[in-house]
Amino acid sequence: AQSVTQPDIHITVSEGASLELRCNYSYGATPYLFWYVQSPGQGLQLLLKYFSGDTLVQGIKGFEAEFKRSQSSFNLRKPSVHWSDAAEYFCAVGSNTGNQFYFGTGTSLTVIP
Amino acid sequence: GAGVSQTPSNKVTEKGKYVELRCDPISGHTALYWYRQSLGQGPEFLIYFQGTGAADDSGLPNDRFFAVRPEGSVSTLKIQRTERGDSAVYLCASSPSTGGFYRDTQYFGPGTRLTVL
Repeated sequence: AQSVTQPDIHITVSEGASLELRCNYSYGATPYLFWYVQSPGQGLQLLLKYFSGDTLVQGIKGFEAEFKRSQSSFNLRKPSVHWSDAAEYFCAVGSNTGNQFYFGTGTSLTVIP
Repeated sequence: GAGVSQTPSNKVTEKGKYVELRCDPISGHTALYWYRQSLGQGPEFLIYFQGTGAADDSGLPNDRFFAVRPEGSVSTLKIQRTERGDSAVYLCASSPSTGGFYRDTQYFGPGTRLTVL
């Protein structure tokens, strides 16, 4: 069965510092991978997605993610975090066998001045 | 342009009651999805509509849950004989394409927080 693991429940970084949020997936074939952000009182918003091709994907708000098949990972990165990036981040995987879509449990990001 | 809207934003009900949660998707979006998000968890898929029909309802937890989309736009999630375990945020999303929901970009509403006392 497909699954998504986000090992870090909560991360705290200083404003201006770099950020990496981890995501590991379990899937037999090439997955369709997504990162969503959920700010308080707001709906989930897509940051970026990977289907195929270049394994380094650029998204909105200065985020990027790298697909590493050998590590079954799709980690989200940002070189310099802003206070407005404080939110909950979800990794998700789509499966074309059985038409399924799975979210991880999320990583809560706190940004300190 | 309006995004996905959900009403009510909050719903408090008593165990055993019936509730309806409404979702208005982005105009023109053919696909509509319902998810349930429990505290501290990621969204959990419930059902996916393509037009008026439920293309995949494998995530509905039991027969107390039912959803409709009679005109291919607005959808209603219906929960009968509510239980305390049904308390969660119910999210709705829509997408414009028919590429299969495992690869579409989904646009989410703010959710309805359901509390069953």
